[in-house]
Amino acid sequence: DQQVKQNSPSLSVQEGRISILNCDYTNSMFDYFLWYKKYPAEGPTFLISISSIKDKNEDGRFTVFLNKSAKHLSLHIVPSQPGDSAVYFCAASASSYKLIFGSGTRLLVRP
Amino acid sequence: EAGVTQFPSHSVIEKGQTVTLRCDPISGHDNLYWYRRVMGKEIKFLLHFVKESKQDESGMPNNRFLAERTGGTYSTLKVQPAELEDSGVYFCASSRSTFLGGQETQYFGPGTRLLVL
Repeated sequence: DQQVKQNSPSLSVQEGRISILNCDYTNSMFDYFLWYKKYPAEGPTFLISISSIKDKNEDGRFTVFLNKSAKHLSLHIVPSQPGDSAVYFCAASASSYKLIFGSGTRLLVRP
Repeated sequence: EAGVTQFPSHSVIEKGQTVTLRCDPISGHDNLYWYRRVMGKEIKFLLHFVKESKQDESGMPNNRFLAERTGGTYSTLKVQPAELEDSGVYFCASSRSTFLGGQETQYFGPGTRLLVL
């Protein structure tokens, strides 16, 4: 049973608009969440993270929001750029080195 | 600083053959992990080394998979004999610390794409 779910396999947005990628989890023991970005033929690259004691973390154009009561997190990219087109993975850990990943969402930013 | 490297980038073998994947972590990273992504699904944890010691191999699918990290530097993952369901992308990652948070994260290699025919 998947503990981290990304229910949208793909998302397409116009350049300059906001991209919102969603992730749901089931394990209430998760205390750290990460987003990784993956280009074709490359490994996942760390993008941004958030601890369960926070509800928002911001880094430039990227903001991650955490709603613990809903067991939901989201990644906002504003403004979206064509270079942001990639597969985005949500991952979680429970005070552990072991990352539990979602299945990824493919983002396409149209020029 | 050089990143995590993996060899080969691709491997196509027949069912029943043996394949060995190699991972070179970032220099100075004691922690090394293997993950696998099968058929576009989620990336799944396989195992974790601290230096040359296996700390957790709970994600290893079965005893056809053998991981080693002699000397605590590079690691190999051998699949013997390979089965069709072993096809996928095998990622290696490394980190300085075991614990995540702050500036600590896992750095991934480009992966080895394994196809078993």
